[in-house]
Amino acid sequence: AQSVSQHNHHVILSEAASLELGCNYSYGGTVNLFWYVQYPGQHLQLLLKYFSGDPLVKGIKGFEAEFIKSKFSFNLRKPSVQWSDTAEYFCAVLSQGGKLIFGQGTELSVKP
Amino acid sequence: DTAVSQTPKYLVTQMGNDKSIKCEQNLGHDTMYWYKQDSKKFLKIMFSYNNKELIINETVPNRFSPKSPDKAHLNLHINSLELGDSAVYFCASSQQESPSRYFGPGTRLTVT
Repeated sequence: AQSVSQHNHHVILSEAASLELGCNYSYGGTVNLFWYVQYPGQHLQLLLKYFSGDPLVKGIKGFEAEFIKSKFSFNLRKPSVQWSDTAEYFCAVLSQGGKLIFGQGTELSVKP
Repeated sequence: DTAVSQTPKYLVTQMGNDKSIKCEQNLGHDTMYWYKQDSKKFLKIMFSYNNKELIINETVPNRFSPKSPDKAHLNLHINSLELGDSAVYFCASSQQESPSRYFGPGTRLTVT
């Protein structure tokens, strides 16, 4: 069965620090990969997605992610975080059956 | 205009009661979903409907019954509520051929 694993449960950073959140998936076929963000008390919003083509994808708010097929990874990065980036981040993969499978989520706390 | 809306936003009820959560999307999508987010923030799909037909039905107790009166609506009815049903329930929609999901704001259900 397909699965998504996010390595970090809770990450605490100071403003202006660089961010990298790990995501690994187990799925051998063509993958559609996503990062969603959930700000406190709000709904899920799409940060970025990878379907095909350039493995380095850029999303909203300065986020980017790199798809590395050999490592089954799709890590999320941001060079300099802000307090407003405090949120829960979810990696997800779309399975062949059309199910969007989420990772456990990573809580990011940015200290001002 | 809200793309995917849910009502109510908060729902507090006692064990044994029957309750419904409503979802509407104005995006013209043909597929709608219900996801459950537990207390550990883990998101899992419950149901998926395409053109009012059930296409994904995960291992969910039969106390949960989705109903889709038309393509723009997918309601979730829950009978005999239990403490373990407490969670945030997210509705989402998409076009069948598109991997992208648009999420609603969530309904926080608390069963006492």
